[in-house]
Amino acid sequence: EVQLLESGGGLVQPGGSLRLSCAASGFTFSTYTMSWVRQAPGKGLEWVSRIRGSGSDKGYADSVKGRFSISRDNSKNTLYLQMDSLRAEDTAVYYCAKGIHALVTAPDYWGRGTLVTVSS
Amino acid sequence: EIVMTQTPLSLSVTPGQPASISCKSSQSLLYSDGKTYLYWYLQKPGQSPQLLIYEVSNRFSAVPDRFSGSGSGTDFTLKISRVEADDVGVYYCMQSTQLPLTLGGGTKVEIE
Repeated sequence: EVQLLESGGGLVQPGGSLRLSCAASGFTFSTYTMSWVRQAPGKGLEWVSRIRGSGSDKGYADSVKGRFSISRDNSKNTLYLQMDSLRAEDTAVYYCAKGIHALVTAPDYWGRGTLVTVSS
Repeated sequence: EIVMTQTPLSLSVTPGQPASISCKSSQSLLYSDGKTYLYWYLQKPGQSPQLLIYEVSNRFSAVPDRFSGSGSGTDFTLKISRVEADDVGVYYCMQSTQLPLTLGGGTKVEIE
């Protein structure tokens, strides 16, 4: 059974940093593209970033480019999202999501999410 | 980036009746490999999104056959043949043909 467990969310001041983690199990983690997708309170879904299985190829939404960095540790089956220069508009539930196939970014399984609140 | 536009914004359906959601993309979603990377998700109240349909018309594991997807190019449709109470939530279309991945604004389905 695929399981994705996010952690690291919380309250942070504007301009601050936070690192999210996603512990994965139930599949061969190193094989799959992984993504972060967020959802602001009461709003729709927004794709944030993705990383290929090898970690060599990464992509970002324009709204986070230059501020967020995605990475993974295949030895620990863990996905990360380093978030710097946080803004109020980054407030959202952040979901970790597994790609359908090795080279397909679109998710099939999603975690339960972790809430990030950016506020002074 | 590819803009995804869903209609309607909301839908109120009598149980047992059909429902249809439209998703239009600002560019063709046909990729150079011949596949069209259009997906449908349902986010039930208080839950994470769940995959219903991948690559336009393929039902994901354990998705009931009352859900079907169709379309090509820039026009796509999700149909529910007979809506059940468990189908309530917000439906999203998503494209992964081109980065950034983009999603429609969502269609909220309620039961009358």
